[in-house]
Amino acid sequence: QKEVEQDPGPLSVPEGAIVSLNCTYSNSAFQYFMWYRQYSRKGPELLMYTYSSGNKEDGRFTAQVDKSSKYISLFIRDSQPSDSATYLCAMGQNFVFGPGTRLSVLP
Amino acid sequence: KAGVTQTPRYLIKTRGQQVTLSCSPISGHRSVSWYQQTPGQGLQFLFEYFSETQRNKGNFPGRFSGRQFSNSRSEMNVSTLELGDSALYLCASSPNAGGDEQYFGPGTRLTVT
Repeated sequence: QKEVEQDPGPLSVPEGAIVSLNCTYSNSAFQYFMWYRQYSRKGPELLMYTYSSGNKEDGRFTAQVDKSSKYISLFIRDSQPSDSATYLCAMGQNFVFGPGTRLSVLP
Repeated sequence: KAGVTQTPRYLIKTRGQQVTLSCSPISGHRSVSWYQQTPGQGLQFLFEYFSETQRNKGNFPGRFSGRQFSNSRSEMNVSTLELGDSALYLCASSPNAGGDEQYFGPGTRLTVT
């Protein structure tokens, strides 16, 4: 079993939809949780990070962490075509990354 | 503030050669981490440097090495290149060691023929 699991997609949604992206992990020692967005041929861009269980909101993005279930989510409200990218979750001090979910938001 | 810069952006090398990649972190950031990204394996951690010392190392062979200078700039070296080393090599900087947030550069795309 990999340390971090993430559905690779691709996930296609219509513009304006709410998108839910998820990761599960196996190492209960992970304390830091991050979401990155990566456009084609670019480096990952930090979207959100959190330490604790619960929700953290930033604009259209909400990160949710459930340490008891070892499950994290990223919600994107009012999705836009410019959100089309690969979304990577990362966690732990050595930044273990999930494989990424490819998202397409269709106009 | 300027972001993380990496040079060169593209490289083509042949098997058996060695290569050195360079990374300049965000001003004030003291931690630099290196990652390898491939379609099959995704993003994999190579190593982290903080204050010129290697702090953590991923599961890569000794052909992969790095160093950090007093100005926090870092270099990564791969010796005796193999075809499987073809990848996007990403550098990320963070204000602190094992930091809570990393900012990535655009990467160096290495092709080994």
